Amino acid sequence: SQKIEQNSEALNIQEGKTATLTCNYTNYSPAYLQWYRQDPGRGPVFLLLIRENEKEKRKERLKVTFDTTLKQSLFHITASQPADSATYLCALDKTGYGQNFVFGPGTRLSVLP
Amino acid sequence: EAGVAQSPRYKIIEKRQSVAFWCNPISGHATLYWYQQILGQGPKLLIQFQNNGVVDDSQLPKDRFSAERLKGVDSTLKIQPAKLEDSAVYLCASSLFGTSGGETQYFGPGTRLLVL
Repeated sequence: SQKIEQNSEALNIQEGKTATLTCNYTNYSPAYLQWYRQDPGRGPVFLLLIRENEKEKRKERLKVTFDTTLKQSLFHITASQPADSATYLCALDKTGYGQNFVFGPGTRLSVLP
Repeated sequence: EAGVAQSPRYKIIEKRQSVAFWCNPISGHATLYWYQQILGQGPKLLIQFQNNGVVDDSQLPKDRFSAERLKGVDSTLKIQPAKLEDSAVYLCASSLFGTSGGETQYFGPGTRLLVL
């Protein structure tokens, strides 16, 4: 069956450390994988997109990797800050042409001061 | 640029009652999505419109849920009759074209529904 999983429900890290979140999928072959941030009581906000032929993508303190062999994406936040505390969701398009998006269950990140 | 608007923000109803949610996407966005997000889970796609046509409603419980997007702009999602398990946040999102998995989706704040 098709599944998309994120490594843990919750992750606590110390301020200044690097947070690493994992997204694993089975029985999909996505052309893209997206990461979103969701704060309590709000809708998800797009952060980064990575294509299947890209190994790595960076944006400020954020870095995403995509390994289509392992069927895994890693999301890193370097020099984490308490303001980075939120739920992070990965998402992929099952069809490859913008239909039938599937979201992972999310990882709730808490950055402790 | 105005974001995706949704109303109401909160709704409490009794089971077996009906409820409707409204969404106004970002101006010019062709594709509109409705998602259901149960507490502690990721959003689950219910229906996707491109302009005023449905392109995916495979996960919409059609015996009780319906949605329309008149004139390819605003959309309403209706539940009739509601069940306890429909308690969730209903998120509306839009994207410019919606023809690629590489497009950004812009989400509204959601409508939090509680069915008693």
